[in-house]
Amino acid sequence: KNQVEQSPQSLIILEGKNCTLQCNYTVSPFSNLRWYKQDTGRGPVSLTIMTFSENTKSNGRYTATLDADTKQSSLHITASQLSDSASYICVVSATGGFKTIFGAGTRLFVKA
Amino acid sequence: GAVVSQHPSWVICKSGTSVKIECRSLDFQATTMFWYRQFPKQSLMLMATSNEGSKATYEQGVEKDKFLINHASLTLSTLTVTSAHPEDSSFYICSAQPTGGVWDTEAFFGQGTRLTVV
Repeated sequence: KNQVEQSPQSLIILEGKNCTLQCNYTVSPFSNLRWYKQDTGRGPVSLTIMTFSENTKSNGRYTATLDADTKQSSLHITASQLSDSASYICVVSATGGFKTIFGAGTRLFVKA
Repeated sequence: GAVVSQHPSWVICKSGTSVKIECRSLDFQATTMFWYRQFPKQSLMLMATSNEGSKATYEQGVEKDKFLINHASLTLSTLTVTSAHPEDSSFYICSAQPTGGVWDTEAFFGQGTRLTVV
């Protein structure tokens, strides 16, 4: 069964601190993995998209890693800011037929 | 980057009426668009896949006669919630998959539409 599991469900950190969000998946055959940031009441915004051959990809203070062997991905946020408070969603797509599985998301709260 | 625009951003309607939500790709063509529903503190749930010029494909449990989808052009898909009831109140989000090009594997989301049925 194709699944995407994210952890933790929610996270509270102090401004300026780093954090890492996890995503484990069982989607097969794997096509790509994406991380999205979703502010409350807004549509998701793409942070990174990774294919099978990519291990690390950065977008500013966001760095995503992918281990296709263990089917795990992480999103590392450096020097967090209050504006980083949002839900972070891991999305994994399978090849052929637009099969896309959404994770439940991690709700991040950055406090001053 | 690619822009997907949804309209309206929010709408309040009376129970029993119908509401139409538009999803437009502003700077690219999208053969395929997706409609999602999101309840508070939950992840996006795919409702249907909309294909230009053909019938939409609905996910299991989604009533196609209640949620009418029309994808009449390569830049516009509409979702009509017919005979809306309070339990249809939710956040509806569309995404569009560019046809070909370097963004072939990426789908871009609209900003969402908050529907409240009273």
